[in-house]
Amino acid sequence: TQTVSQSDAHVTVFEGDSVELRCNYSYGGSIYLSWYIQHHGHGLQFLLKYYSGNPVVQGVNGFEAEFSKSDSSFHLRKASVHWSDSAVYFCAVRRGSALGRLHFGAGTQLIVIP
Amino acid sequence: EAAVTQSPRNKVTVTGGNVTLSCRQTNSHNYMYWYRQDTGHGLRLIHYSYGAGNLQIGDVPDGYKATRTTQEDFFLLLELASPSQTSLYFCASSDTANTGQLYFGEGSKLTVL
Repeated sequence: TQTVSQSDAHVTVFEGDSVELRCNYSYGGSIYLSWYIQHHGHGLQFLLKYYSGNPVVQGVNGFEAEFSKSDSSFHLRKASVHWSDSAVYFCAVRRGSALGRLHFGAGTQLIVIP
Repeated sequence: EAAVTQSPRNKVTVTGGNVTLSCRQTNSHNYMYWYRQDTGHGLRLIHYSYGAGNLQIGDVPDGYKATRTTQEDFFLLLELASPSQTSLYFCASSDTANTGQLYFGEGSKLTVL
């Protein structure tokens, strides 16, 4: 069974702080990894993705994520958060062969205090 | 910009009621999906399709039917709604390559009394 784990349900930081949102997965094989953001009352929006190559990928609005095969992780980071980054962040995993079957973590709510 | 439109945005029905949630995408994408979102579970895949007339079963299909009538339109059907189906439903689309980027609608909030 493929699982996606986001260990922190909530993360609270101050504006200007750095933040790391954690994502771990359990699956052996080629996978696609991605992060999505959901602002309150809206659908999810794509942030970034990784499949192969440089393990550090850049996304929109200063977000980046780093893939680690040894840790089975794909953590999302931002060096300096803004209050508008307050949202729920979802990690998603898809097996390379399973077209269409994207599995999401439970989400991490990021609260940025101005 | 990719566009996925869901209707209705809000729906209230009673147990045993019949509900249809509609989704239209103007992205010319082959793949379309229905997810439900519940606190503590993230998004769970109900059904998906890779083209008109095609239907694939997702991870939580029980109690749901779906139909893809055209490349643009994907419907989710609840023929005997139950309170456990009270949820926020999202439709999404992606292109054939499906490298992990889905385009989501704004969601349909369904309440089953």
